[in-house]
Amino acid sequence: EPEVTQTPSHQVTQMGQEVILRCVPISNHLYFYWYRQILGQKVEFLVSFYNNEISEKSEIFDDQFSVERPDGSNFTLKIRSTKLEDSAMYFCASTQLAALYGYTFGSGTRLTVV
Amino acid sequence: KQEVTQIPAALSVPEGENLVLNCSFTDSAIYNLQWFRQDPGKGLTSLLLIQSSQREQTSGRLNASLDKSSGRSTLYIAASQPGDSATYLCAVSGTASKLTFGTGTRLQVTL
Repeated sequence: EPEVTQTPSHQVTQMGQEVILRCVPISNHLYFYWYRQILGQKVEFLVSFYNNEISEKSEIFDDQFSVERPDGSNFTLKIRSTKLEDSAMYFCASTQLAALYGYTFGSGTRLTVV
Repeated sequence: KQEVTQIPAALSVPEGENLVLNCSFTDSAIYNLQWFRQDPGKGLTSLLLIQSSQREQTSGRLNASLDKSSGRSTLYIAASQPGDSATYLCAVSGTASKLTFGTGTRLQVTL
């Protein structure tokens, strides 16, 4: 069964550093998402991406965050200057058409900011 | 703003019991509802997807129902096994095509 692949599985970074989280969505999917889950809290929507542009973003997704689809397969989340409160599990998801098929999630990247 | 609540927050049952997990949402204008399983420190595994026009979906020992007008869904697990121990998340997809997640129910099935 097709999978959404995320790398790395765990990243430790120093406060103020830039990190890039990588995702390879399922190949025929058109819509891409990033979510995050702070330890012990709900999974929260960050951003959706369709047709090479952001279609929606949450209030969490401020200027320190950016997303990119640099080629036909990768989808990245960049955090420009990490803060301690950015420590969380970050999930990538994709769908062909959410209303009909639902979403497929990757296994996540655990980001620890020290 | 859509709010999703899951009850109970935690549940412990002996192996073999049937159980029901509950999910409620405040805005009935949804496209679909999806149940996920999350093991500790792991990703989200999709269990069942119910379209807004459907009443229920079944997969093996799992059955999910949806009452859109009352803003409720249930996940029924039959003949529970220790391997079912995990956190179960309910999520709804609304007009903005993003998922809003519930707080989750942490299930432990004991021997």
